[in-house]
Amino acid sequence: EAAVTQSPRSKVAVTGGKVTLSCHQTNNHDYMYWYRQDTGHGLRLIHYSYVADSTEKGDIPDGYKASRPSQENFSLILELASLSQTAVYFCASTGAETLYFGSGTRLTVL
Amino acid sequence: GDSVIQMQGQVTLSENDFLFINCTYSTTGYPTLFWYVQYSGEGPQLLLQVTTANNKGSSRGFEATYDKGTTSFHLQKTSVQEIDSAVYYCAMSAGFASALTFGSGTKVIPCLP
Repeated sequence: EAAVTQSPRSKVAVTGGKVTLSCHQTNNHDYMYWYRQDTGHGLRLIHYSYVADSTEKGDIPDGYKASRPSQENFSLILELASLSQTAVYFCASTGAETLYFGSGTRLTVL
Repeated sequence: GDSVIQMQGQVTLSENDFLFINCTYSTTGYPTLFWYVQYSGEGPQLLLQVTTANNKGSSRGFEATYDKGTTSFHLQKTSVQEIDSAVYYCAMSAGFASALTFGSGTKVIPCLP
């Protein structure tokens, strides 16, 4: 069974603060993704990575950075958190076509 | 760019009712189509993959169809149960290991008759 672990499960941050969301997979997958979930918008792609030490911009990258220091780990970084970044964030990995998602991180920016 | 449109935001129906969810897609590539299900408090998980036009996929009593002519795909279940309460997402991949483009999701709420 593919495993993707996200941490923390929830976080409250202050506006203007720095937030780092972490993702770890034990699937030996090359491809990893960060999605944002908002009511009425479904899942939207923020950043993705095909290989360690390389990241690509997705559909809504503004305000976010990503880091892939190893095949197993993929982080999402909010340098200056804003109210509009309150959402649930999902990490996913794949080796072919089926995406395996983590359980999500609920981020609240106050 | 690629897009997936899922119009039904929420569907409320009685147990044993027929469930039908529809999505349309737009892409210049050769799409692979999926249905994902998200139960409360969990991440989305694959329900069905449909890769061949006019062929059906099936899983857990759900059936998926795909019509290349109308660029649409559908999810249906003959008799919905309370355990089917979840959000259902249609999704499209434009190529091998490409990031998925998701619809906006349909929340299915089965009620006891």
